[in-house]
Amino acid sequence: DTEVTQTPKHLVMGMTNKKSLKCEQHMGHRAMYWYKQKAKKPPELMFVYSYEKLSINESVPSRFSPECPNSSLLNLHLHALQPEDSALYLCASSRAGVGGTGELFFGEGSRLTVL
Amino acid sequence: EDKVVQSPLSLVVHEGDTVTLNCSYEVTNFRSLLWYKQEKKAPTFLFMLTSSGIEKKSGRLSSILDKKELSSILNITATQTGDSAIYLCAATNFGNEKLTFGTGTRLTIIP
Repeated sequence: DTEVTQTPKHLVMGMTNKKSLKCEQHMGHRAMYWYKQKAKKPPELMFVYSYEKLSINESVPSRFSPECPNSSLLNLHLHALQPEDSALYLCASSRAGVGGTGELFFGEGSRLTVL
Repeated sequence: EDKVVQSPLSLVVHEGDTVTLNCSYEVTNFRSLLWYKQEKKAPTFLFMLTSSGIEKKSGRLSSILDKKELSSILNITATQTGDSAIYLCAATNFGNEKLTFGTGTRLTIIP
């Protein structure tokens, strides 16, 4: 099993809604990531968890709240989003933890539309 | 601030042509350079390069890193329509888990 699984694949939400994106990997990877990708742009790093601890927060607004319940799961809680937050949200994992990255394995992404 | 720049931004060639995509980086405590192919959704891994001058090859794709020039190239020979995608280059450094992406090269192969 070499997959990173993200759910849902598509999500439409209003600005007052609360929703969550989920990510799961069973490769024993110890680092997990959230990236945001707008159309025709490269992925932008949002958060990194290393050994289930938040190690990088790229100054992401508090309306995005990450959570890592265990080493296989990563959630992104969404609340009071803005239309400009509409994007593809990519989860990724890698073998390495603190000290450096190896190859990242990406999920297929959750396409978020905020109305 | 770490920076990765790719060129060209887009490229249109005919099937069967050979293409070379470029990536340059300015990264503190550079560790590795990675190439990804992104079609509709998730980027898929192509190569990771850590040593200068050693070519990595996978079928019609090959890549090499030049640490002196702080750059890498990705070559695709005998291109096929299935090679149409965005090719992303990314750099990592020692000490953290960040992957800094370039803007990508959009490659279109015309039959």
